[in-house]
Amino acid sequence: GAVVSQHPSRVICKSGTSVKIECRSLDFQATTMFWYRQFPKQSLMLMATSNEGSKATYEQGVEKDKFLINHASLTLSTLTVTSAHPEDSSFYICSARDDITGGGEKLFFGSGTQLSVL
Amino acid sequence: ILNVEQSPQSLHVQEGDSTNFTCSFPSSNFYALHWYRWETAKSPEALFVMTLNGDEKKKGRISATLNTKEGYSYLYIKGSQPEDSATYLCAFPAYSGAGSYQLTFGKGTKLSVIP
Repeated sequence: GAVVSQHPSRVICKSGTSVKIECRSLDFQATTMFWYRQFPKQSLMLMATSNEGSKATYEQGVEKDKFLINHASLTLSTLTVTSAHPEDSSFYICSARDDITGGGEKLFFGSGTQLSVL
Repeated sequence: ILNVEQSPQSLHVQEGDSTNFTCSFPSSNFYALHWYRWETAKSPEALFVMTLNGDEKKKGRISATLNTKEGYSYLYIKGSQPEDSATYLCAFPAYSGAGSYQLTFGKGTKLSVIP
């Protein structure tokens, strides 16, 4: 089955540093990838849609200058949390659809990144 | 903002018991309804994508039904096993006015199967 690899799985950093999270589709092409964030006891909330070769689409309330998304190839999207602060501490997870099969629109997920900003 | 609700929030069952939980979603502009299973420290995995009213899908001991007119789906697990312990998420896809695809997730039902 389709596999999405996400790294790192856990990051602890100091306030003010930037953190990059990678999301790779290992055995399929993904023109579109999705970045979600989950706070404790809340649902997965879509932050942005990452589009290969073009600008990401951000959801309302998500700062594009804070959460930089780059989707430079059909298998790799990165999310950079710039100048992270404690309120950015959260669980971040990426997902993708298979361009070829569509997969019935189901998403394939990475395993997530737990970000803790001190 | 679309409202996708799941109940119960958590559930503890004995091994061998059958169980079910609910997902409610908007009944208008329906495209599909997704179910995912999310085991601790793993990636969420798609169980079912349901599109037709009255549809029933089955995967081993797990099955799901769909009522698009009233906006709910049930997930059933027959003879629960410890390996069924996970959080079960439902998600409602929609397309924005700009044509972008978005999945709205419920908070999930956390199932714990006690051996």
